Amino acid sequence: AQKITQTQPGMFVQEKEAVTLDCTYDTSDPSYGLFWYKQPSSGEMIFLIYQGSYDQQNATEGRYSLNFQKARKSANLVISASQLGDSAMYFCAMREGLTGGFKTIFGAGTRLFVKA
Amino acid sequence: GAVVSQHPSWVICKSGTSVKIECRSLDFQATTMFWYRQFPKQSLMLMATSNEGSKATYEQGVEKDKFLINHASLTLSTLTVTSAHPEDSSFYICSARDLRGGRFLGTGELFFGEGSRLTVL
Repeated sequence: AQKITQTQPGMFVQEKEAVTLDCTYDTSDPSYGLFWYKQPSSGEMIFLIYQGSYDQQNATEGRYSLNFQKARKSANLVISASQLGDSAMYFCAMREGLTGGFKTIFGAGTRLFVKA
Repeated sequence: GAVVSQHPSWVICKSGTSVKIECRSLDFQATTMFWYRQFPKQSLMLMATSNEGSKATYEQGVEKDKFLINHASLTLSTLTVTSAHPEDSSFYICSARDLRGGRFLGTGELFFGEGSRLTVL
């Protein structure tokens, strides 16, 4: 069964506008972490933001924020004030703390295109 | 931040040969490393968990005799693609767990290598 679901294969956003990338997850482990990574065309994985399952507040890191809705099992990434350099693949990922052996599982990814 | 280095960053080989990819944690010790495979325009698929001093744990469907993993030291894990065929052509990425960082469920931070692009002719 899919543990991480990203339903948007591709997204377009105008430069300087905000964009939301969707991510839903499935786990029965009460202890888990959710991550977003950016992968530019060069291939390296760049960590963006983390949300723990016990965190009360939504995570924020600069222009990145994570809209964590635990009951709905969603962890959407919001990028504010998009820049041309934000064009890349974005992966949502999950690490299950108790049952997953601390492995990180990735979603299918969303390709973001920022238009000038 | 911590650095993980992969080598080679790209390799082209003939069908039937074996290729070794190295993953090194440069400034921390990593008892656990993970190997991923990524086909073009697809996600990262976990292949195996590499444990220092013991056998790797392979994900379902990954041939352990095909993809040999050795984690002989706390800073080095190697993935050897044996008798490579064109269908093995892919982007291979390793990640290493730095236990010094406790942000992520207290399980340490994960750092990725730059990836190794394998093309088998």
